[in-house]
Formats: sequence, structure tokens, C-alpha cells
Amino acid sequence: QSVLTQPPSVSGAPGQRVTISCTGSSSNIGAGYDVHWYQQLPGTAPKLLIYENINRPSGVPDRFSGSKSGTSASLAITGLQAADEADYYCQSYDSSLSGAVFGGGTKLTVL
Amino acid sequence: EVQLVESGGGLVQPGGSLRLSCAASGFTFSSYWMHWVRQVPGKGLVWVSRINSDGSRTNYADSVKGRFTISRDNAKNTLYLQMNSLRVEDTAVYYCARVGIAAAGANWFDPWGQGTLVTVSS
Repeated sequence: QSVLTQPPSVSGAPGQRVTISCTGSSSNIGAGYDVHWYQQLPGTAPKLLIYENINRPSGVPDRFSGSKSGTSASLAITGLQAADEADYYCQSYDSSLSGAVFGGGTKLTVL
Repeated sequence: EVQLVESGGGLVQPGGSLRLSCAASGFTFSSYWMHWVRQVPGKGLVWVSRINSDGSRTNYADSVKGRFTISRDNAKNTLYLQMNSLRVEDTAVYYCARVGIAAAGANWFDPWGQGTLVTVSS
């Protein structure tokens, strides 16, 4: 299983708000390492959505926001749109593994 | 435009070898750490390996340590992944990815290549 834990799926109606959690441990998120989020649309490569916990790259709508506290982080998506249907992954760094670690991914369904 | 283009994937028998390449353009390749990440079709992302900007430091996931070798040629703006002793469980799409900024400690990935499929099967 993945080092970071995400819910396998979340869903929401258009216009609603959803959150995706990402739980780590004392060797990654809890050690102070930043959390980053990626969106993967079907059949495409992952795309950076949030970096360093809260920052959005240019071009990412402000409907997407990130937060981090303790050993966990969250991605919030407001004003859900059909185009947001995708898989979302959190990622951090793990000092005991000396490498990047990912969550198992969360499939977002817009009802 | 910043771009990463992988190549070299294909079908290989268990125990065989394959070398993946990742051609970089649109940025100063020699300034950035680079990573390989893989994804079994329908499954999640898994980090494989990383290399620092001058190629002097490398790290590997335990699952590939001793079998895979990451390297780079900064003169050719190209990242490599030499994969030996391949196993069925190495079957995946392999992505190369650049870290977000050319600074120590930057460990997010942006951009990613389009991926190349490696299939290990007899």
C-alpha cells in the first residue's frame, strides 16, 4: 500500500465543495516536508495542481486550494465542474526512504 | 516551451533489460534534479528514482534498487533509466519528471513527460 493515505473516492454535485485528505507519518508530512497535489485526467500524465502545501501554479483556478496540519494535508475543490472528474494524488518526501512518496490516489466523481 | 519526451518503452521478457530515455527541452536541464515515476495501468503513482543536477547523487525505491540505474547526459539534455533483471511487476507506464524549481529542497514535479509503457511478459 501507499505511504500516504487518501480516500479511494469522493463525489459531489456540480457547484458543491469536496475535500480530499492525505495522511502521512512522522517521517514525511509530520517531519515538516511539504505536500504537493496532482490532477490526472483519464489517459494523460499527472499535472501539478498545488505545490508547497498551498501554492497554485499559474493557470490553476482558485477553486483549488490546499492546506496542511500536523501529519495530514487536504485538497479542497469548490464550485465543482464536470471537467474536474479525475484522479487526484498527494505527494511528499520521506526521510526514511530518501525519496518521494505518493498517496494511493482519489477518484473524484461529479454527480 | 518546457517539454519532456520519453522513449524506449516496449515489450520485454522477464529477466531482460531496457533503457528508457527522456529528452528535455525549453529549460536549463543541467540545473534541475530529475525523477522517474511509474504507474501500473489503472493504479496509483509510484516514485522510482531521482538524480541530482550534475549526476553525482542518486536514490532509488527499494523495489528497484540494484536492478535499475538512473543517469543523465547534460550535454545531450537527456535523462536515462537503465532497467535490468526486469520482472512482471515492473510493467507500468514510466514518466520522467522535473522538479519544480532549480533549488535545493524542491521536491514537487512539474512538468511531467507523456510516459512510455514498459510491458514485461513472456
